[in-house]
Formats: sequence, C-alpha cells, structure tokens
Amino acid sequence: DTAVSQTPKYLVTQMGNDKSIKCEQNLGHDTMYWYKQDSKKFLKIMFSYNNKELIINETVPNRFSPKSPDKAHLNLHINSLELGDSAVYFCASSQIGTSQETQYFGPGTRLLVL
Amino acid sequence: GDSVTQMEGPVTLSEEAFLTINCTYTATGYPSLFWYVQYPGEGLQLLLKATKADDKGSNKGFEATYRKETTSFHLEKGSVQVSDSAVYFCALKLGGSNYKLTFGKGTLLTVNP
Repeated sequence: DTAVSQTPKYLVTQMGNDKSIKCEQNLGHDTMYWYKQDSKKFLKIMFSYNNKELIINETVPNRFSPKSPDKAHLNLHINSLELGDSAVYFCASSQIGTSQETQYFGPGTRLLVL
Repeated sequence: GDSVTQMEGPVTLSEEAFLTINCTYTATGYPSLFWYVQYPGEGLQLLLKATKADDKGSNKGFEATYRKETTSFHLEKGSVQVSDSAVYFCALKLGGSNYKLTFGKGTLLTVNP
C-alpha cells in the first residue's frame, strides 16, 4: 500500500492557468507538508498542516493556497501559474510528538509551466 | 537562522570505493539530524537519523554520527554499489513545536561499475 500518494505525477500547463495537486496519506499521521524542489534539487518547505490547521506558511506567494479537508489529505491549489512555478512538488506527512517524527514523502508532482 | 551545509557534488566513485558526504549545520537549540536519499525519478526516503549528540544512525551500510562539538553529521559508507547512485540530502529538525525540516542542497552521487 502506498503510504503517501500524489496526483497527478506530471502536470504540463500554460502560464496563467489554475491547477491543483492532491495528496493523501494512509499512515494515520496528523501533520502534512508541501515542499518545492527546484531545478537544482534544492528543497524548501512551503506549508504544513497539523490536524487540518495551518502551522507553517513560508514566504510563498498567495497564488498558492493549501487546503486540508481532513487529516489524511492536503491539496495544493495554484492560481495564475507562472514560469517560475515549474518544479517538483513533494507532499509529506509525519506524526508529531512521537520519538520518530520521521517525515514520509510522496513520489512528487512534476509541474511544467509553458 | 537554521541552516544545513553539505558538500557540493557531483560525486563520482567507482564501485566498492569509500564514500563520505560532509554535512554541517547551524541551529538554535538541539536539532534532530537526518539523511534522506532520492533515487532518480522518485520521492525522498529516510536513510538514517540521529536525535542527540554522539548518536550514530545507520542503515543499508551507511552511517552518520551526530557530532555536537563540530556541528556535523557526515555520511559514510565503506563500499558503495551502483545502486547507491542517487541524490543525498542532509536535514535538521528542531524539537518542540517546530515541525519543518531544513534541508541542505543535496549531493548527487554517481557510482560507476
């Protein structure tokens, strides 16, 4: 069973469009994250939700809006896509407060904005 | 602010060579330290971790020791295989209510037969 899944795996779209990426985890974790990986492989956190509540919001343009309908899902909606949004977006989850607190990552969504 | 610095790649080795990837950190407080691995076209997987000074994390022949005095967490493997070719990320996480991982820039390792 896939622990953290993302859809779609690939997304090619035009500048100015609005798109969404979905993430689901079946690990029973209470915290989920979105990370962005640029073309040089640099990873940076964007958002984190704990029990459906936003707890981390890094300096991300407000065109990016996360939505957590329940603890198992954290979706990312992007308005008015720009060329610079092209990247790989990773979802992750963890269980805060345990001795592990390991973050488990999804396979990534490769976004290309033309 | 908190940061992780790891050696820039790419690193190219022959099979069975010894591997070291350096990682140092700057953090307020006492972070947990991690090494994640990203195989081509895949997401990140936890390779090993250490949560306090002098802890050694190990997995799949890889090791790293949390050195508080040198603020380092260098990754080592005695004999690399072609299948170890991947990007390796060092990361830290502060304790308490700070949930985020801060990553280094990643080091691409290529192992040739």
